[in-house]
Amino acid sequence: DADVTQTPRNRITKTGKRIMLECSQTKGHDRMYWYRQDPGLGLRLIYYSFDVKDINKGEISDGYSVSRQAQAKFSLSLESAIPNQTALYFCATSAGTIRADTQYFGPGTRLTVL
Amino acid sequence: EDQVTQSPEALRLQEGESSSLNCSYTVSGLRGLFWYRQDPGKGPEFLFTLYSAGEEKEKERLKATLTKKESFLHITAPKPEDSATYLCAAADNYGQNFVFGPGTRLSVLP
Repeated sequence: DADVTQTPRNRITKTGKRIMLECSQTKGHDRMYWYRQDPGLGLRLIYYSFDVKDINKGEISDGYSVSRQAQAKFSLSLESAIPNQTALYFCATSAGTIRADTQYFGPGTRLTVL
Repeated sequence: EDQVTQSPEALRLQEGESSSLNCSYTVSGLRGLFWYRQDPGKGPEFLFTLYSAGEEKEKERLKATLTKKESFLHITAPKPEDSATYLCAAADNYGQNFVFGPGTRLSVLP
């Protein structure tokens, strides 16, 4: 079974709708992240959480919110979706180490906003 | 501002034709340089972490090296199954903030 899972894998929605993307992990990691990927732009950090009570904004948090329901679950919400939020969304986890911390990614959610 | 660039943007090789991918970074106090492989429609798969200049790591046909300003991913005698996008990322002083490059799309033709 995959260590990091994301649901749904594909979603098509309309402008103005509220959307929630979910991430679950069985790696036992404390740290979780949400990224979006656009062609030619690489992965950009939206939000990250170092534990259940810790939520931090990333580079591009406007228009997004998150919820850390448990150590293993981290959800990303688009309150009112707009077409330029069409992208691939990835969840990642890391263990939290003294040295630079390897992140492990889920399979992604392809979101299309019409 | 922390920045990571990769070159070339795309690379086509014949099977067995060795080459290198470049990752250049400007990060405040590099704590780690990461390489990932990404297949179409899938999440990035971790390959290597390099922590200090001069460090090298190998895995099958891949070898990653690190200098003070850039990292190289050397691919020796590639096979078609090595076709993928290769991403590098740099972690800054705090070790947790990753800056990703845009990737190099590698195609290995049989």
